[in-house]
Amino acid sequence: EPEVTQTPSHQVTQMGQEVILRCVPISNHLYFYWYRQILGQKVEFLVSFYNNEISEKSEIFDDQFSVERPDGSNFTLKIRSTKLEDSAMYFCASTGTGDYEQYFGPGTRLTVT
Amino acid sequence: AQSVTQLDSQVPVFEEAPVELRCNYSSSVSVYLFWYVQYPNQGLQLLLKYLSGSTLVKGINGFEAEFNKSQTSFHLRKPSVHISDTAEYFCAVSSYNTDKLIFGTGTRLQVFP
Repeated sequence: EPEVTQTPSHQVTQMGQEVILRCVPISNHLYFYWYRQILGQKVEFLVSFYNNEISEKSEIFDDQFSVERPDGSNFTLKIRSTKLEDSAMYFCASTGTGDYEQYFGPGTRLTVT
Repeated sequence: AQSVTQLDSQVPVFEEAPVELRCNYSSSVSVYLFWYVQYPNQGLQLLLKYLSGSTLVKGINGFEAEFNKSQTSFHLRKPSVHISDTAEYFCAVSSYNTDKLIFGTGTRLQVFP
């Protein structure tokens, strides 16, 4: 069964450093999302992406964040200058046309020290 | 704006007992409703979804949920739980004018032998 994959599973970085989280959505999906979950808290929407453009973004998704689909398979989330409060589990999700189910990847745990 | 409330942060239950996890939502437009399960150190897996039609929705692993528009609720039920159902359960909502998922704070179901 096709699945969303994410790399790395765990990333440790120092405050102020740039990180890129990578996702490979399900191959025929066209809609892509990033969510995050701070430890012990609820899952929060960050951004949605369709047709090489951001469709919607939350207040969390400020100028420090960016997304890109650099090729036909990868979908990335970049944080330019990480802060301690960026420490969280980041989930990528994708969905197909006319499908309301979002398929989630296993997540990348980002630890900012 | 939409919101989701899961009043029970933890629900302890013995194996083979029935369980109900409560979810209430708030929205000014028609909604789509979802229940996701998160096993320890894993991503989110869809249990079931309500888009339209029959208000009783059956999902995987023997779970079901009932959409009640007048009470703005979408409670999750299982008639007989197993140890393996121990996990975090998240209720989520989206709508026709946005595909982002708004999640509740989650309910930790702990099944004891």
